[in-house]
Amino acid sequence: AQRVTQPEKLLSVFKGAPVELKCNYSYSGSPELFWYVQYSRQRLQLLLRHISRESIKGFTADLNKGETSFHLKKPFAQEEDSAMYYCALPMDSSYKLIFGSGTRLLVRP
Amino acid sequence: DVKVTQSSRYLVKRTGEKVFLECVQDMDHENMFWYRQDPGLGLRLIYFSYDVKMKEKGDIPEGYSVSREKKERFSLILESASTNQTSMYLCASSFQFSYEQYFGPGTRLTVT
Repeated sequence: AQRVTQPEKLLSVFKGAPVELKCNYSYSGSPELFWYVQYSRQRLQLLLRHISRESIKGFTADLNKGETSFHLKKPFAQEEDSAMYYCALPMDSSYKLIFGSGTRLLVRP
Repeated sequence: DVKVTQSSRYLVKRTGEKVFLECVQDMDHENMFWYRQDPGLGLRLIYFSYDVKMKEKGDIPEGYSVSREKKERFSLILESASTNQTSMYLCASSFQFSYEQYFGPGTRLTVT
């Protein structure tokens, strides 16, 4: 069965430090993976998808099929990156998504 | 700009009441979703609709039902609210063959 695991509930870093939010998945086949973000008092929104291989707000995520991971990285965290981050992958062959339990990133000044 | 609106930001209901949560999207999306968002549990899918009058159960449909009579509107119904249904409820929509979901602001429901 498909599953998404985000092992950290809270990640606290200082401004300017590197950030890595972990996401591991189980999925039969080649999945599409996504990161969604929810800033304080804002709606949940798509941050990036692995298939586009782009950097959004300085964040990147590489799909590692060997380790079944899709970690979200940023070399220098900013205070405005503080938010709740969710990793997601497709639920079976439909267009529904399974979300991880989320990681709260706190970037301290 | 895609707009997904939810009828209430905060709602307080008593145990046993029937509760309606409404969601409206203005982008002609085929897919609509209802989720619960709970700390430590992430987002869990309650129900999904891929067309008018069509619905599929998600991971946690017990105690909930849905209605989609018009393409733009998707309602979540709690037939008899219970305290364990106290949660943040998020509605989302997407195009038929897209994984990019657009979320509403959420309704924080408290059942006392």
